[in-house]
Amino acid sequence: QKEVEQDPGPLSVPEGAIVSLNCTYSNSAFQYFMWYRQYSRKGPELLMYTYSSGNKEDGRFTAQVDKSSKYISLFIRDSQPSDSATYLCAILGSARQLTFGSGTQLTVLP
Amino acid sequence: EAGVTQFPSHSVIEKGQTVTLRCDPISGHDNLYWYRRVMGKEIKFLLHFVKESKQDESGMPNNRFLAERTGGTYSTLKVQPAELEDSGVYFCASSPLGTGGYNEQFFGPGTRLTVL
Repeated sequence: QKEVEQDPGPLSVPEGAIVSLNCTYSNSAFQYFMWYRQYSRKGPELLMYTYSSGNKEDGRFTAQVDKSSKYISLFIRDSQPSDSATYLCAILGSARQLTFGSGTQLTVLP
Repeated sequence: EAGVTQFPSHSVIEKGQTVTLRCDPISGHDNLYWYRRVMGKEIKFLLHFVKESKQDESGMPNNRFLAERTGGTYSTLKVQPAELEDSGVYFCASSPLGTGGYNEQFFGPGTRLTVL
């Protein structure tokens, strides 16, 4: 079993839609939960991170963590064509190395 | 401030040859990480330097891979001899040395390695 499982997609939505991206993880020792965005031919770029259960909001983006069910989500409101990218969930343990999901490719159609 | 840079951006070599990838972290970042993504798989951790010391090399696939960070600045990752399954994108990331909590890892654009 992979340590981090991510809904693979791809996902294609119309502009203005609400997008939901999801991951599950297996190791209770994981401490920090991240969402990275990666544009084609670029490196991953951190969008948000959190370390506790609950919601964290940043503009149109909301990260949600449920430690009891080991489930993390990213919601994008009012999605824009510029949001088209691959979204990666990643989790940090005590060893300070990131464990990534496989990524979800999102396309927002104008 | 310059971000993490990697060189070359793309390398095409034949099986059995040697390739050296270079990473220049953000100035002042003592933590340096190597990750790679092979086709169809997730990005996976290779190793972690703190300054010039290898903190964790548990992700290195085998002894054909050698990473160095002399002087605690830039790092090189050498693959010798390269095999077909080494093809993929190699990412470098750096972060400051913190006292606790989370220190964001900043990623470079990656080196795309193709082994023929």
